[in-house]
Amino acid sequence: EDQVTQSPEALRLQEGESSSLNCSYTVSGLRGLFWYRQDPGKGPEFLFTLYSAGEEKEKERLKATLTKKESFLHITAPKPEDSATYLCALNTGNQFYFGTGTSLTVIP
Amino acid sequence: SAVISQKPSRDICQRGTSLTIQCQVDSQVTMMFWYRQQPGQSLTLIATANQGSEATYESGFVIDKFPISRPNLTFSTLTVSNMSPEDSSIYLCSVEVPKLGNTIYFGEGSWLTVV
Repeated sequence: EDQVTQSPEALRLQEGESSSLNCSYTVSGLRGLFWYRQDPGKGPEFLFTLYSAGEEKEKERLKATLTKKESFLHITAPKPEDSATYLCALNTGNQFYFGTGTSLTVIP
Repeated sequence: SAVISQKPSRDICQRGTSLTIQCQVDSQVTMMFWYRQQPGQSLTLIATANQGSEATYESGFVIDKFPISRPNLTFSTLTVSNMSPEDSSIYLCSVEVPKLGNTIYFGEGSWLTVV
């Protein structure tokens, strides 16, 4: 059964404390893995697309990596404005699967 | 990226009424999707709307409750009919853009509260 699991559900970090969010998956065919940032009451904002194992993408304090079974979103020296829910999603070509998200809080 | 405008962004609705959400995209797209996100939960696909054909609904969603229009390649509407408090949710329009690696982009969302 195709499935996407994100962990942890919630994460609290001190400002400047780096960490990683995990998105693990079991799908029959991966056509793309996407990371989004979502602020409360708003639509998800696109961050990255990864297509194949070993691929990495970076944007400011965020770096996304992909293996054959999981993806990580690394946050380096986070700031309070990085507080949001981070969603991962997979495209199998037939369907999109969304994780339940990791709620990140960065404390000043 | 694709720029998607949704309106209303937020509304408070009376039980039993209907509300139509509009979604405008800045480029022509084949695939448009409507999602629902209930408080604290992930996204649930309501239906896929392709121009020139009837929308395809996911299990648990029916056309009478969520009628969808797709008159052209840049616009779609979703109506939430005969609303009840259980329909309180964020409704999201999204598009898949093949020339951008089949990435899905989302609108800002329409946050409906039914009282």
